[in-house]
Amino acid sequence: DTEVTQTPKHLVMGMTNKKSLKCEQHMGHRAMYWYKQKAKKPPELMFVYSYEKLSINESVPSRFSPECPNSSLLNLHLHALQPEDSALYLCASSLEDSLGSPLHFGNGTRLTVT
Amino acid sequence: SQELEQSPQSLIVQEGKNLTINCTSSKTLYGLYWYKQKYGEGLIFLMMLQKGGEEKSHEKITAKLDEKKQQSSLHITASQPSHAGIYLCGAAASGNTGKLIFGQGTTLQVKP
Repeated sequence: DTEVTQTPKHLVMGMTNKKSLKCEQHMGHRAMYWYKQKAKKPPELMFVYSYEKLSINESVPSRFSPECPNSSLLNLHLHALQPEDSALYLCASSLEDSLGSPLHFGNGTRLTVT
Repeated sequence: SQELEQSPQSLIVQEGKNLTINCTSSKTLYGLYWYKQKYGEGLIFLMMLQKGGEEKSHEKITAKLDEKKQQSSLHITASQPSHAGIYLCGAAASGNTGKLIFGQGTTLQVKP
């Protein structure tokens, strides 16, 4: 069982919908990440939060909006997505955003945009 | 930018056989991580290597980082069906950061 919990497991949304993905960890980790993974491809980094502050945005379109309400929670707000945004969205956390702190991943949210 | 190349892309082995997966970097690795993923699920952390020549083992899986810190191998001894999945190597994108980039992955099937 993963110690990083993501909800929902599956999400189907229309291009005009607004939805949110949620991620929670209680390991005391201070860095949290969003990754996007397309079928048969490796995960690609989207955002990094370190001590609840956004430290990296990998040029992600503004229709994806991250939020870190506290050190245990990470959200990804979705608005006006495109069908090509359909993917597995993975949340991860690590003790700190530093070398030597391995990332621990959740099981992901499978997103389908219709 | 740094790239990680994994080989082979896929592997089918008979249960009980040994196998090796390689991960090669275009630049010196600051840290090398091995993960396993089952289709449609999250990544499970296996091992982390940081020092040249370092070797770590867990159960039947051994990972090594070469002296030059540009190549790593993952070796599974006496494979079992439970070892099946996608193995991904990941590396720190630069310096002291947890930001990881990943290789393309190696899909392993173990035939009973």
